[in-house]
Amino acid sequence: KQEVTQIPAALSVPEGENLVLNCSFTDSAIYNLQWFRQDPGKGLTSLLLIQSSQREQTSGRLNASLDKSSGRSTLYIAASQPGDSATYLCAVRGSSNTGKLIFGQGTTLQVKP
Amino acid sequence: KAGVTQTPRYLIKTRGQQVTLSCSPISGHRSVSWYQQTPGQGLQFLFEYFSETQRNKGNFPGRFSGRQFSNSRSEMNVSTLELGDSALYLCASSLGYRDDYGYTFGSGTRLTVV
Repeated sequence: KQEVTQIPAALSVPEGENLVLNCSFTDSAIYNLQWFRQDPGKGLTSLLLIQSSQREQTSGRLNASLDKSSGRSTLYIAASQPGDSATYLCAVRGSSNTGKLIFGQGTTLQVKP
Repeated sequence: KAGVTQTPRYLIKTRGQQVTLSCSPISGHRSVSWYQQTPGQGLQFLFEYFSETQRNKGNFPGRFSGRQFSNSRSEMNVSTLELGDSALYLCASSLGYRDDYGYTFGSGTRLTVV
C-alpha cells in the first residue's frame, strides 16, 4: 500500500530564504508525482507535475526533483516571499490505470516579511 | 478558460439528511475525480469517473455515491449524513483517462453537518 510522507509538517522562514520541502513515498512504482499549493479554505493549485521518467521540473522560482529509486521528491523554492505562505502537498499517482492520487499530509509554510 | 467549478461553495445540513454536490470540469476534460479533505485524515480519494463510468472507488461507505453525465459534469451524493461527513469536498478534472497531464482541482464545497 502506497504511503506518502511530507517533512516537515510546518516551516517558518524569513523572506528571501531558499527552502526545500520533502516528500517521500513507500512504493517506487509510480506513474507521476504532482506538487500542489493550498491556501486556507481554498482548493488546490497545481504547481509542478513530474512524470516517472523525469528527474526534475522547473517553473519560475520553483524546482521539483524526483528520485524514484529512493522514493523521494523535493520542492525547492528560491527567494521565498510572504505570498508563498500556504500548505504544500505532494501527491503520487500509482499507475496509468487509475487517476487516484495519494496525498501526503502537507507542509505548512510561513514566510515572514 | 474557465477552471473546475464546484457548486455550492458552502452547505449546512442536518444529520440524517442527504446532499448533492456538483462539479463542472474544465471544458474538454473528460475525467473527474472526487476527494474528501478533513483535518484528521487529510485528502482521501472518493471515486473517479470517465465517459460516464466509475473507474475507481476509494474506501468509503455506500452512502457516498456519484455519477457523471454525457457532458462530463459530475455529481456526488451523500445520504444519511453523519457529523463525520463534515469536510471540504474537492473535485478534480483531467483531459482523459490513462493520460499524463495531471489534475486540476476546483475550489471545493465546504459541507458542515450539524
